Amino acid sequence: DVQLVESGGGLVQPGGSLRLSCMGSEFTFYSYDMNWVRQAPGKGLEWVSYISGSSSLIKYADSVQGRFTVSRDNGKNSLYLQMKSLRVEDTAVYYCARQAFDYWGQGTLVTVSS
Amino acid sequence: EIMLTQSPVTLSLSAGERATLSCRASQSVSRFLAWYQQKLGQAPRLLIYDVSKRAAGIPARFSGSGSGTDFTLTISSLEPEDFAVYYCQQRSNWPLTFGGGTKVEIK
Repeated sequence: DVQLVESGGGLVQPGGSLRLSCMGSEFTFYSYDMNWVRQAPGKGLEWVSYISGSSSLIKYADSVQGRFTVSRDNGKNSLYLQMKSLRVEDTAVYYCARQAFDYWGQGTLVTVSS
Repeated sequence: EIMLTQSPVTLSLSAGERATLSCRASQSVSRFLAWYQQKLGQAPRLLIYDVSKRAAGIPARFSGSGSGTDFTLTISSLEPEDFAVYYCQQRSNWPLTFGGGTKVEIK
């Protein structure tokens, strides 16, 4: 079965940095575009970022543009989200999702607090 | 940015009843509209994509309709496991956006 497993979440102070990872298995990872989606506690879903299979096309939500960087290593079947200048409002569960949003990871919680 | 407005915010129904959820876009999204179900503590699950195509393994009681700016998710007869939050999403324009959600709760 297709699996996506996120890691890297945790508690970080405002202004700090964190790198999330998402490892995919049981599918040809390089053939699929990938997304990051987040959900603040008790709130709805917010799309964060997109990266094409070859990394040739990258998109960000305005709320993270210039602070977050998405990347991937197809040799390791892995997707990354480097987050810098973190704000309290970035606190959320971060999910990775496959191209058509047909498969999602279980999510990793990022808490930004002093 | 395309805004998606879902209504109602909460829908109180009994098992066996029909549920009709609405999603309205601030501009046309053509047919690039999807629906998700999310239960507490779980990741979202894709139900419908391209307005009316059911995702793999989704029961036939879930159906989607609409075009342009007005879309509907219908659950023909609610099963106990259908009580959850439902989100619509547009994939027509960047940034991709989600609606605020409709909670379907037990009456």
